[in-house]
Amino acid sequence: AQKVTQAQTEISVVEKEDVTLDCVYETRDTTYYLFWYKQPPSGELVFLIRRNSFDEQNEISGRYSWNFQKSTSSFNFTITASQVVDSAVYFCALSEQGKELSFGAGTTVTVRA
Amino acid sequence: EAGVAQSPRYKIIEKRQSVAFWCNPISGHATLYWYQQILGQGPKLLIQFQNNGVVDDSQLPKDRFSAERLKGVDSTLKIQPAKLEDSAVYLCASSFEGGRNYGYTFGSGTRLTVV
Repeated sequence: AQKVTQAQTEISVVEKEDVTLDCVYETRDTTYYLFWYKQPPSGELVFLIRRNSFDEQNEISGRYSWNFQKSTSSFNFTITASQVVDSAVYFCALSEQGKELSFGAGTTVTVRA
Repeated sequence: EAGVAQSPRYKIIEKRQSVAFWCNPISGHATLYWYQQILGQGPKLLIQFQNNGVVDDSQLPKDRFSAERLKGVDSTLKIQPAKLEDSAVYLCASSFEGGRNYGYTFGSGTRLTVV
């Protein structure tokens, strides 16, 4: 069985603050993939990152960074120096090899000017 | 490359009516997915196709929902008859392989309102 938990329903920050989104997953498979997607008000799902279960290196892309820890089954996402354009719903998702994406419930991030 | 195309973008129907959604995946993508996203929730898989065969339809309410993917390319999702609780965004996604290459690309979705 797959399960993704995003415990934070909503986060509100002031512009330039950092914000960290938590994601905890469950899987019995040893080969799996983790994803983060952004869903702005327009509704489309925008791919942010994919990480496979064998690569625990953290990754930084501009103001975005991801912390993958297999020991705690977590794949957390940090936005540094947030901007108003970062306001969106962010989804963490899990895929076991050959299977579909299972999404968490999402975290709504509101960045106030 | 062109993205995943979906139409219509919006649809409003009365309960008990029927509706159909269309999806054209990225060229060469063998795997196609339909997801339902109810307001305030994450997308949930309805059905997965590999070429023109169904891989997983365990979450599809088969008494009212049907889907097909003729010739392993375009796909249609139909609801007949619609219920109020079917109001949601229906997202289509495709990937090159359901296996090793996990590049899932989503379409813009069809927002269905059942009144």
